[in-house]
Amino acid sequence: AQTVTQSQPEMSVQEAETVTLSCTYDTSESDYYLFWYKQPPSRQMILVIRQEAYKQQNATENRFSVNFQKAAKSFSLKISDSQLGDAAMYFCAYRKGYSTLTFGKGTMLLVSP
Amino acid sequence: GAVVSQHPSRVICKSGTSVKIECRSLDFQATTMFWYRQFPKQSLMLMATSNEGSKATYEQGVEKDKFLINHASLTLSTLTVTSAHPEDSSFYICSARVLGQGSNEQFFGPGTRLTVL
Repeated sequence: AQTVTQSQPEMSVQEAETVTLSCTYDTSESDYYLFWYKQPPSRQMILVIRQEAYKQQNATENRFSVNFQKAAKSFSLKISDSQLGDAAMYFCAYRKGYSTLTFGKGTMLLVSP
Repeated sequence: GAVVSQHPSRVICKSGTSVKIECRSLDFQATTMFWYRQFPKQSLMLMATSNEGSKATYEQGVEKDKFLINHASLTLSTLTVTSAHPEDSSFYICSARVLGQGSNEQFFGPGTRLTVL
């Protein structure tokens, strides 16, 4: 079974600084999707960024980028120029094809002024 | 992006009563909807996968007779918590998968907080 591990229960960053959230996963598949979701205090799950495993290029969405290392099964999220609104729980997730999402346990990101 | 709604957003009920939670995909058709449960400061736990017109597939350990799921149309799935007890108090989140898009992305509803007294 696939597993997703987020080893950082909590991370802190100051406004305008950069922070990296870690995620590793275990799979025997070669083609799959990886996601980072954000869950702010409102509890609404928001897709931050998506990476297809067959693409070597790291996905980027404005201030959010990933470092996808397929051989190492690592998928970290970098948030640049952190803002107060970035404070949330961040979940890394894996999905193979049409199957269900497998979530990590989450990393709480605290942003201080 | 695609919008998923849930109703109600909060519900308080007495122990022993049943509660129905609706999940709707507002601007797209969803052949598959998912129901999750989330305890405070924990991850989402998949309860069941619901396909339109067929019986839901429940995850191991989830009581199908307690958590009744109906997916009657391509835009509506319901979760009914039957004979609710305080231990059923939790945050329930639905998600709908977009039909036809290559990435098969899932969109999440805003969640329903259930409190059983």
